[in-house]
Parts: sequence; structure tokens; C-alpha cells
Amino acid sequence: DVKVTQSSRYLVKRTGEKVFLECVQDMDHENMFWYRQDPGLGLRLIYFSYDVKMKEKGDIPEGYSVSREKKERFSLILESASTNQTSMYLCASSFVAGGRTGELFFGEGSRLTVL
Amino acid sequence: LAKTTQPISMDSYEGQEVNITCSHNNIATNDYITWYQQFPSQGPRFIIQGYKTKVTNEVASLFIPADRKSSTLSLPRVSLSDTAVYYCLVGDDTGGFKTIFGAGTRLFVKA
Repeated sequence: DVKVTQSSRYLVKRTGEKVFLECVQDMDHENMFWYRQDPGLGLRLIYFSYDVKMKEKGDIPEGYSVSREKKERFSLILESASTNQTSMYLCASSFVAGGRTGELFFGEGSRLTVL
Repeated sequence: LAKTTQPISMDSYEGQEVNITCSHNNIATNDYITWYQQFPSQGPRFIIQGYKTKVTNEVASLFIPADRKSSTLSLPRVSLSDTAVYYCLVGDDTGGFKTIFGAGTRLFVKA
């Protein structure tokens, strides 16, 4: 089974701190994604990556950056955390075959609280 | 991207069959219909995908009429553990950056 592992289930940080959220997948998937999920707003795409060192902005990239130095690892960075970044963060991966992407595999999520 | 419409919430009792319908009137020829399930405090999980007619797996069935403007996810004999949010997605890139999750249908199964 595909396993997508997020480094922390729960984090509490202070405003202005730099925050790293790590995600690792073990199935050699090309695509990796970071979403945030907030009540009433559904899942919103922050950044995605389709290859090592490649990254593309999603719908809400402001205040975030990402890093993908190895195929299996995709990191989300909050350079200076703010209270409006309190949210559930979800990492996902998917494979590419025959020009189409397979389904998304999600991690269990990281619930970040910024005080 | 095809917009989807599904009920906000549904209630059911254990042992019943649950059918969740999704409308997607402007579905394109290349689009697939995909359903995800999300339990509280977890990420969504793929449950089924189809293009036309009927698809069945160990978790659910997906019924798609000939015009493909709607689809129905059928969960046989639900249990309390089926309480979750169910998302209907339509697109030709259901695992890529164009994948859009709407609000989903919150299913609550009662004893």
C-alpha cells in the first residue's frame, strides 16, 4: 500500500516563527501536493510538484514556500507563521501513467495552530 | 472543469443502503468521475472511479447513466464507521493539480 507520512500530526507555533512541514511518500510517485483544509472552504491547493526540484503554485501560495530535493520528500515552509495560517495541512501524492494521473493518496494531516 | 453539485449532508441508519447523487451537467468527453471518502482528522481516501455505466469494488458501487450528467455512489449496508464526508470529483486529471475538492456530502450513520 502507498504510504504518505507527514512528520507531525499536531503543532503549536507562535506568530513569526518559521515552520517546516515534512511529507514523505514511499511509492515513487512523480506528483506531490500540499493542501490546506478549513471548515466551509474545503481543500485548497497551496503548491504542487511534478518532479524533483520542480514546483508550481496552486491556488493559495502566498505566505508559503516548498522544497523538493528528493523524489520522495516534499516540504512545506511557512517563512513567518501568522494566525491565519492556523489550519489542517494535507500532503498528497499521485503517479503518472499513460499521460494521465492516478488517484491522490493523502497523508493523515498536520494540524497547525499559530498563536 | 466540470462543476459538481451534491447534497451537503445525509443521515442514515446502520444496515441501510445509502445512495449519494452528484450532478455534473457540463461533464466533458474526457472526464472521469471519482469519489473520495474523508474520515474526521484524516486525509481523503480514493474509493471509486468510473467513466460510464456501473463500477463496483469492495467498498462501493458507482452508477453512471448514459448521458453522464449525474452519478450515484452506492454504499451497501452502511455501518457507523462509514460516517464521513464523501467528495464527488469530475475531470480528466483526477490526481493532478487541477483536481478540485468541493464541500462534499457529510454522511452521518446512526445506530
